[in-house]
Amino acid sequence: DTEVTQTPKHLVMGMTNKKSLKCEQHMGHRAMYWYKQKAKKPPELMFVYSYEKLSINESVPSRFSPECPNSSLLNLHLHALQPEDSALYLCASSQGRELANYGYTFGSGTRLTVV
Amino acid sequence: AQSVTQLGSHVSVSEGALVLLRCNYSSSVPPYLFWYVQYPNQGLQLLLKYTSAATLVKGINGFEAEFKKSETSFHLTKPSAHMSDAAEYFCAVSDNWGGADGLTFGKGTHLIIQP
Repeated sequence: DTEVTQTPKHLVMGMTNKKSLKCEQHMGHRAMYWYKQKAKKPPELMFVYSYEKLSINESVPSRFSPECPNSSLLNLHLHALQPEDSALYLCASSQGRELANYGYTFGSGTRLTVV
Repeated sequence: AQSVTQLGSHVSVSEGALVLLRCNYSSSVPPYLFWYVQYPNQGLQLLLKYTSAATLVKGINGFEAEFKKSETSFHLTKPSAHMSDAAEYFCAVSDNWGGADGLTFGKGTHLIIQP
């Protein structure tokens, strides 16, 4: 399995809703990432988990709450979002043990619309 | 901190013509460089990567890139453009393969293929 799987693919939520995005990989990668991508912009790093511990939080508002229950699973819990949070949310994973295999694998993303 | 600059937000070429997408990097340490392609409403697909082995890197779909330290460049080329190459292309950099810092992306280049 060489994929990062994200669910759901599309999500529409109201500003008072609570929802979660899910990301899964079975490549044995020990680092996992959340990126946010607005239309016609590059992906921007939000969070990094390394060995299931949060290692980087790029000053993301608290209405976004990441969780890494195990080495294969990464969640992003959403609460009280704003319309400007509408974007494509990308999950990625990487391993850095062998330089020849170094790289980042991205999922196909969740298209989030906040209404 | 590392960064990449992509010259040209839009590049238009005729089908069958040479594709050249430019990327210059800035890094205080030897960089690890990547080119990704993104089709509409999809995630990021790795085209190729430079991890300090060969300076000429061959990737998927006929693309290749050459790492030139003297010019701090990592330009992406393809000898003959195909209609299916129309997409958004991102150059990205990391300077820490052993850790988990994530990728820093350029602003992207939209490749248009004229019939």
